[in-house]
This record gives sequence, C-alpha cells and structure tokens, in this order.
Amino acid sequence: GAVVSQHPSWVICKSGTSVKIECRSLDFQATTMFWYRQFPKQSLMLMATSNEGSKATYEQGVEKDKFLINHASLTLSTLTVTSAHPEDSSFYICSAEERQRNTEAFFGQGTRLTVV
Amino acid sequence: GDSVTQMEGPVTLSEEAFLTINCTYTATGYPSLFWYVQYPGEGLQLLLKATKADDKGSNKGFEATYRKETTSFHLEKGSVQVSDSAVYFCAPRLLRGNNRLAFGKGNQVVVIP
Repeated sequence: GAVVSQHPSWVICKSGTSVKIECRSLDFQATTMFWYRQFPKQSLMLMATSNEGSKATYEQGVEKDKFLINHASLTLSTLTVTSAHPEDSSFYICSAEERQRNTEAFFGQGTRLTVV
Repeated sequence: GDSVTQMEGPVTLSEEAFLTINCTYTATGYPSLFWYVQYPGEGLQLLLKATKADDKGSNKGFEATYRKETTSFHLEKGSVQVSDSAVYFCAPRLLRGNNRLAFGKGNQVVVIP
C-alpha cells in the first residue's frame, strides 16, 4: 500500500511555544489529508480536512487559530499547534487519500505531543 | 445521521481462541467498509475492506462480510495470536459530507499466551 510519513513521532515542548507536525505522502499525490486527535484509549477525533491548495475545513469545536493547517502541495500537509498548553498534549494522526482511489485512507505513524 | 457502533469494552482472550468484534452502521446508501488496526504507539493500518454488498474482506486470517440486510461488518478470526493484540476500528466511508471515514470507538483486543 501507499506510504504516509508523519514527523516527528514524538515531541516535548514548553507551554506557550508552537509545534509543527508534518505529514507526507511518499509515493502518491494526496489530494485530501485529514488530521485527527486521539486521547488515550479512545477513538480518533477528526479535527480538520485539508484539500491541496485550499483552506482546511475544521470540525465543530476545533479552533482554527490554535491548530493551523497548511496543505501547500500534493505531498505535504502540516499541522501547527500554536501557543501550546498542557491540555493540547495528545496523539495526533494524519491520513492521506488520493482522489482517484477514493477508497482507503493511508495513515501516518502518529505524533505524540507532550506540553510541559 | 450516519454513525458506526462497535461492541462495548475490551476483549481479552487466550491464544488460538476465536475472535469476533461486532460492527454495525447507519448510513445513506451502500458505503465502502473498512477495518483498521492500531498497534501500541502507532498509527492505523488498513486490515481489510469491502466495497459492495456480500463482499468478504480478508487479510492475515481476519475476515469480515459486508451485510447490507443487517448493515453490519463484523470482524472474525478463527485462531488469534499474541501478535494480534491491538485496537481494532470499524470505519464505513460516509457518502455524505466530505466522503470521509467514520470511526467506531475501537476495541482493545488482548491475547494472552
């Protein structure tokens, strides 16, 4: 299957700083990427949908200014957690899809964010 | 609205036991159906899928059949191994909205030697 690389796999940052997470599709063009947040022992919560070249669509309750998403190319989307606080600590996962396939989604390895 | 329901609670069983994880969904039309698996500390991997009624998806000894009459996609494996310990998510692809995957709550499976 296709490969999606997410980086970093874990990060620790201080409160008030910003953290950028990258999601890359390595062998296909990802017309759509999704960003999820996962709390311990819970399911994935969709945060936003990102289409290449356009603004991301955020789910209700997700702060756009807090979680900045950029999808500037067909192989890269980034999620920036701005002014991070301890409550932002979580496991963030991206997925990527190719429009023509429109069947399965390919997931990154996830990023464990810890804000201290 | 569209939704997916997985059976409650973690599943603990002995090696070589039979595994069933129930999944039902409500959706418009006939969505493609997926099971994803998440190993500790990792992202999700596609386990199997079925794209139309009566299709059977299979992989690594796991199977699930697309049942449109009961809108179900139950996951089964005849003889589990310790390495099958993971969290399993049922995920139909919604036909409304942005055509995204809808994830169930997930089931933690623990296989004891």
